[in-house]
Amino acid sequence: KQEVTQIPAALSVPEGENLVLNCSFTDSAIYNLQWFRQDPGKGLTSLLLIQSSQREQTSGRLNASLDKSSGRSTLYIAASQPGDSATYLCAVRPVDSSYKLIFGSGTRLLVRP
Amino acid sequence: DAEITQSPRHKITETGRQVTLACHQTWNHNNMFWYRQDLGHGLRLIHYSYGVQDTNKGEVSDGYSVSRSNTEDLPLTLESAASSQTSVYFCASSEGQFFGELFFGEGSRLTVL
Repeated sequence: KQEVTQIPAALSVPEGENLVLNCSFTDSAIYNLQWFRQDPGKGLTSLLLIQSSQREQTSGRLNASLDKSSGRSTLYIAASQPGDSATYLCAVRPVDSSYKLIFGSGTRLLVRP
Repeated sequence: DAEITQSPRHKITETGRQVTLACHQTWNHNNMFWYRQDLGHGLRLIHYSYGVQDTNKGEVSDGYSVSRSNTEDLPLTLESAASSQTSVYFCASSEGQFFGELFFGEGSRLTVL
C-alpha cells in the first residue's frame, strides 16, 4: 500500500532563507508526483507536476526534484517571503490505482518577516 | 480564465437531510473528482468520473452519490446527512487519465448537526 510522508510537519524560517521541503513515498511505481500549496480556508493550488520520467521541474523560485528509485521528492523554495507561508502538500499517482492521488499530510510553513 | 467553482462555500444542515454540493469547471476536462479533507485523515477520494455518464466509487463513497450528465458539472449528493460527514469537500478536475495535472476548487465546508 502506497504511503506518502512529509517531514517536517511544521517549519518556521526568517524571510530570505532558502529552504527544502521533503516528501517520501513507499512504492516507486508512480505515474507522477504533484506539489500543492494550501492557504488556510482555501483550496489546493497546484505548484509543480513531475512525470515519472522527469528528474525536476522549475517554476519561478520553486524547484521540485524527483528520485523515483529512492522514493523521494524535494521542493526547494529560494529566497523565501512571508507570502510563501502556507501548507505544502505532495501527492503521488500510483500505477496500480491511477484514478486517485495519494497525499502526504503536509508541511506547514511560516516565513517570518 | 478557466476555473473550477464550488457552491455553496459553507452549509449547515441537520442529520438525515439530503444535501447537494455543486461543482462546475470551465476547462472542458474529462476527469472530475470529489475529495474530503479531515484533520488526521488528510484528503480522501469519494467519487470520480472519467466522462459523461461515467461515475466510479472512491475509497470513502458510502453515503455519497454523483452523476455526470455533461462535461462541466459533477454534483455530489449526500443522501441522508450524518454527523460523520461534517468535513471540507473539494472538487477537482484534470485532463489525461494518468498524467494530467489536478486542479482543485476552493472547497465547500459542510457542517451536519
